[in-house]
Amino acid sequence: AQSVAQPEDQVNVAEGNPLTVKCTYSVSGNPYLFWYVQYPNRGLQFLLKYITGDNLVKGSYGFEAEFNKSQTSFHLKKPSALVSDSALYFCAVRDGRQTGANNLFFGTGTRLTVIP
Amino acid sequence: DAGVIQSPRHEVTEMGQEVTLRCKPISGHNSLFWYRQTMMRGLELLIYFNNNVPIDDSGMPEDRFSAKMPNASFSTLKIQPSEPRDSAVYFCASSTTGLSIEQYFGPGTRLTVT
Repeated sequence: AQSVAQPEDQVNVAEGNPLTVKCTYSVSGNPYLFWYVQYPNRGLQFLLKYITGDNLVKGSYGFEAEFNKSQTSFHLKKPSALVSDSALYFCAVRDGRQTGANNLFFGTGTRLTVIP
Repeated sequence: DAGVIQSPRHEVTEMGQEVTLRCKPISGHNSLFWYRQTMMRGLELLIYFNNNVPIDDSGMPEDRFSAKMPNASFSTLKIQPSEPRDSAVYFCASSTTGLSIEQYFGPGTRLTVT
C-alpha cells in the first residue's frame, strides 16, 4: 500500500524567513513524489516532482524539495517566504511498482500562512 | 494552451435534483480523474479513466454517483438524486500515462445542495 503523511495541518512563518512544509511517504517500490499548491478558489497547481537522480529538486516560484530515502521524506522548502506563498500545499506519491494505474495518492494538505 | 476545463464553475441545487458536472481534459491526455474536496474529508479520488475506460471507481461514494467518458475530450460526473452532504468542490484532472507524469487540475465546480 502507498500513502503520504503531512504531519502539520498549519504552518506559520514570517515573511522573509525560510519555510518548510513536511511530507513523509510509504511505498513498496521506488517513490515518485510530487508537490502541488492550491490558492483560494483555485484548482491544484503542480510545483515540482522527484523521479530519480539529484535529491534536491527545484520547482516553480522558488520552491525546492529534498528527497531523503532513509527518512522516507520529501519536505518542501523555500529560502525566503513571501506573503503570496500563503496557500494550501499537497504532497502526493506514486509507487514505482504501480502498473496499469496512473493515480496519485495525496496527503491531507498543509495550510501555509506567511505573516507580513 | 487551454488547461482542463470544467463547467459549471458554481452550481446551486435543491436536494433531490440531478446534477451533472462536466470536464474537458487537456488535448492529448489519456487519463482523467475526478476528485472531491471538502473541509472534513480533504481531497478524495472518486474515479479515474484511462483511454476512456473506467479503471477504478472505488472512491465513488454510492450509487447516486456515476461518471462517464464517452470520448477522449469529454467526461461527466452525475449525482442523482443530490443530497446536502454532496456539497463540495469537485475537481477534474488529466494527464498522459506514465509513472513520472504529473496531473493537471481544472478550476473546480463548487456544488451547493440545499
